[in-house]
Amino acid sequence: EVQLVESGGGLVEPGGSLRLSCTVSEFPFNIAWMSWVRQAPGKGLEWVGRIKSKTDGGTMDYAAPVKGRFTISRDDSKSTLYLQMNSLKTEDTAVYYCTSIGYSDYYFDNWGQGTLVTVSS
Amino acid sequence: EIVLTQSPATLSLSPGERATLSCRASQSVSSYLAWYQQKPGQAPRLLIYDASNRATGIPARFSGSGSGTDFTLTISSLEPEDFAVYYCQQRSTWPSFGGGTKVEIK
Repeated sequence: EVQLVESGGGLVEPGGSLRLSCTVSEFPFNIAWMSWVRQAPGKGLEWVGRIKSKTDGGTMDYAAPVKGRFTISRDDSKSTLYLQMNSLKTEDTAVYYCTSIGYSDYYFDNWGQGTLVTVSS
Repeated sequence: EIVLTQSPATLSLSPGERATLSCRASQSVSSYLAWYQQKPGQAPRLLIYDASNRATGIPARFSGSGSGTDFTLTISSLEPEDFAVYYCQQRSTWPSFGGGTKVEIK
């Protein structure tokens, strides 16, 4: 069974930084396109960004609200996806989900359990 | 940005009844639309992709239809485990999600 396990969430002050990790198992991570999706407390879902596999160029794309502040990267040797979040704002408070992309680009077929990031002073 | 509007916000039904959920896009997304189910405290689960294709392991009582700007998710006969929030999502441009429809027990 595919497993995606996020970690690294917590409380951070506005303007601070945090790095989330997502370890994937039972899944061909090295050829997978991966994404982050977030959900503010009591709200809907919001796509954050996506990274292609290295064999497909390894390029990243980001949603407008996080572009220039967030960076997605991957370590295929560790089957791990990362989300580096800088210059955090209170509106970045959310549960962050790691997802794989399947069927076609930007369909999110496997999800982790999520990790909560709280940006507050 | 493509805005997805879901209706109704809440649907109150009994087990065994048919559920019909709507998703309308602010501009055409062709058939590039998915549906997800989310239960409290859980991650979303992909149900339908490309408007009408069931994802692996999704029961046949879930079906999707539509193209362009108007889409429907139908649950033919509600099971107790189907009471949840449902989101539509488009991938015609940068991905965006609808605001969700909560299917609750009447």
